[in-house]
Amino acid sequence: AQTVTQSQPEMSVQEAETVTLSCTYDTSESDYYLFWYKQPPSRQMILVIRQEAYKQQNATENRFSVNFQKAAKSFSLKISDSQLGDAAMYFCAYSSISSGSARQLTFGSGTQLTVLP
Amino acid sequence: ETGVTQSPTHLIKTRGQQVTLRCSSQSGHNTVSWYQQALGQGPQFIFQYYREEENGRGNFPPRFSGLQFPNYSSELNVNALELDDSALYLCASSSAGGLQETQYFGPGTRLLVL
Repeated sequence: AQTVTQSQPEMSVQEAETVTLSCTYDTSESDYYLFWYKQPPSRQMILVIRQEAYKQQNATENRFSVNFQKAAKSFSLKISDSQLGDAAMYFCAYSSISSGSARQLTFGSGTQLTVLP
Repeated sequence: ETGVTQSPTHLIKTRGQQVTLRCSSQSGHNTVSWYQQALGQGPQFIFQYYREEENGRGNFPPRFSGLQFPNYSSELNVNALELDDSALYLCASSSAGGLQETQYFGPGTRLLVL
C-alpha cells in the first residue's frame, strides 16, 4: 500500500515571499501521479498542480512549482510571491495508474499554510 | 462547464439512522469517487464508481454503500450511523481512461452524528 507523509503540520510565510512545503511518499510502483491540492476554510478541495512520474521535468503552474525527486520519493511544492489568498491547508496526494486499479487518491495529513501580511 | 456539486451542504443525524448524500459529476466526467475527511485529517478513500459499477473500495464497512446513475451522478448511503461517521464527505469526479485522470472535488457535505 502506498503512503504519503507531510512532516510539516504548520508553515507560515510573509506575503510576497517564497515557501516550500514538503511531501514524501512510499510506493513500489514505477508509474503514478502526484498532486498538490489546497483546501481553504470554505472546505472545497482545489487542484494546485499535478506531476506524472514518468516526466522528468518538474511541473509548473504560474507561481506554483514542484521539485520532484523520484529516486528519493520526494515531492515538494514551492509557492513564489505568496499572496494572502494562498492561506489554506495543503494536501499532497498519490494516485496509482496501474491498469485495473481504482485510481484512488492517497492523501497526506496536510500542511496548514498561514500567509502573514 | 459545470463543476462538481454536492447536496446537502450540512446534515445532522442521530446514531442508528441512515443518510444519503448526493453528488453530480463535472460535465464530461464518467467516474465518481467518495472520500471521508475527519476533522484535522486528510481525506480517506471510501469507494469509486465507473459505469454504474463499484470500481474499488477503501477500508470502510459494508454499511457504506453507493450508486452511480446513467447520468454519472452518484449517491453515498450510510446505514446504522455511528458517532465516528461525523465528518466532511467529499465527492470527486474524473474521466476514466483519459491521459489525465485528475479528480476534481465538490464542496463537500458536513455530516454530524449525535
